[in-house]
Amino acid sequence: GQSLEQPSEVTAVEGAIVQINCTYQTSGFYGLSWYQQHDGGAPTFLSYNALDGLEETGRFSSFLSRSDSYGYLLLQELQMKDSASYFCAVTGGGNKLTFGTGTQLKVEL
Amino acid sequence: DGGITQSPKYLFRKEGQNVTLSCEQNLNHDAMYWYRQDPGQGLRLIYYSQIVNDFQKGDIAEGYSVSREKKESFPLTVTSAQKNPTAFYLCASIGNTEAFFGQGTRLTVV
Repeated sequence: GQSLEQPSEVTAVEGAIVQINCTYQTSGFYGLSWYQQHDGGAPTFLSYNALDGLEETGRFSSFLSRSDSYGYLLLQELQMKDSASYFCAVTGGGNKLTFGTGTQLKVEL
Repeated sequence: DGGITQSPKYLFRKEGQNVTLSCEQNLNHDAMYWYRQDPGQGLRLIYYSQIVNDFQKGDIAEGYSVSREKKESFPLTVTSAQKNPTAFYLCASIGNTEAFFGQGTRLTVV
């Protein structure tokens, strides 16, 4: 099966940098992705890592270490609008896409 | 506009009734997924389909059924066997690496 662990909640101040970690167990691995979800809305795609290393997209970066079954999402220059839930997700064997339980990020002034 | 359309947005069901949630996509994606989300929780996979006329059970398939007769459509039926169906249901399709989600259906048992 597949399982993912991430912290349930993270709090940071506006302008700061925050890192959300994700560890996973999976049978078959194609990639690790990250999604953002605001209250009451649908998840939206942020990034995807298939290979080890750092992927940067604007203020957001995502890192993957396949040997450690570990990844993280790095959010820089935090803004109030970044307050949301963030989910890591693993694409495993048979293209099964499994999500973690989510990290609620609260950005404070 | 290309995207995923779920309907209805809100659905009320009496106990013992089956209900069907609609999911349509015009993105020409082969893979489609159904997830359930409970308040403050993550997304749990119900069923997924990689190709027309084929689908696989996810982690919480009991009490649900699906069909995939057309590439564009992946309806989910919540049967009376699902003992706690009140939840937010999300449908998604995947092209290359990115999953696109519909706006969800909130199902409430009354």
